[in-house]
Order: sequence, then structure tokens, then C-alpha cells
Amino acid sequence: SQTIHQWPATLVQPVGSPLSLECTVEGTSNPNLYWYRQAAGRGLQLLFYSVGIGQISSEVPQNLSASRPQDRQFILSSKKLLLSDSGFYLCAWNLGGGNTIYFGEGSWLTVV
Amino acid sequence: KQEVTQIPAALSVPEGENLVLNCSFTDSAIYNLQWFRQDPGKGLTSLLLIQSSQREQTSGRLNASLDKSSGRSTLYIAASQPGDSATYLCAVMDSGAGSYQLTFGKGTKLSVIP
Repeated sequence: SQTIHQWPATLVQPVGSPLSLECTVEGTSNPNLYWYRQAAGRGLQLLFYSVGIGQISSEVPQNLSASRPQDRQFILSSKKLLLSDSGFYLCAWNLGGGNTIYFGEGSWLTVV
Repeated sequence: KQEVTQIPAALSVPEGENLVLNCSFTDSAIYNLQWFRQDPGKGLTSLLLIQSSQREQTSGRLNASLDKSSGRSTLYIAASQPGDSATYLCAVMDSGAGSYQLTFGKGTKLSVIP
């Protein structure tokens, strides 16, 4: 069966520090990969998606970037965090088309 | 731009009651609609997926319906239990620019009182 792992689960970072959140999917190949952010009182916002290695599409201009160095690995990064980057970050995957999307357990980021 | 609205934002019911959660969307040209459950501080768990050509899907005590022409979906939960307490999210999938993307509502927070 397929599983998705996301880490770290929680982190507290000072303003201006770098960020790296990692996500891996097991048990499948060539998945579509997604990064969402859920801020307090707001719905889930799609940040990035990838349909293949090295292929990244950005939905929202912001202080973050994403990379897909391997087929089942998706990384969310920032060079300098802002207070507004605080939130709950969720990685997700599906097998493309209109198939069900499966989410990881999420990463809580607090920028102080 | 697709917009998804969920009403009510919060709902409290006694254990054993049947209940309905509502979801509406502005653009009826969707590919499918999915219902998710989110427990506090956790990721999303997929509950049901309804393709645009379908009218309903059932899983255990859950039944989701879709009326694409009117832009509405409902999630029916039968014989509610305290373990059903969570936030329920509706999301529609559109196809555009060669990819399929989900647009989420803000959710309905359900509390089932023992």
C-alpha cells in the first residue's frame, strides 16, 4: 500500500532563518505531488504542484520555493522566513488525472 | 475562479442523530468532488470521491451526493457518534492548464455530543 511521510512535524523558526520541509511517498511511482498551506481561519491554499522530477508549478507568488529531486520526494524551502509564513503545511499526492488525493500528517511551522 | 462554500461553519448534534453537511461551488464544470475529514492538528483523510458523472457515493454511514448543475453537494452522516467529531472539508477538482487542482471550502466543524 502507498504511504506518505512528511517531516518535521513541528518547528519553530526565527524570522529570516531558512526552511526545509520534506515529503516522501512510498509504494507508488510517478505520483503528482502537492504542497498546501492551511493558515488559521482560512481554507487550504495550493502552493506548488509537480507532475514529474524537476517539474514545479507555483500557484501563489511568495517567499517559498519547491523542488523535486527524486520521483517520490518533494521539498518545500525558504531562504528567509517571514512571520506570515507561519501555518500548517501539508504534502499530498495522487496518480494524476482526477484521482483521489492523499495527504500527509502535516508540518506545523511557527515563525517567531 | 472556482469558489467553494460550506455551510454551516460549525454544527453540534447529540449522539445518534442523522445530519447533513452542505457544500456549494460556483463553477459547475468540475472533474470531481471530494469530501475529507480533518482531526485537530492532523492531516486530511479522504472520505468519498464523486466523479462528475455520478450522483452519489456511499461508504458505511456516509453518503455524499452531487448535483453538478446546481453546484451543490451534501454529506449525510447517519447515526452520528462522538468519534465523528472533526472538521469536514469539501473540495472540487477542476482541470486547467493541463493539471487537476483542488479548491477547498473552509470546512464544517462537527461536534457530536455523547
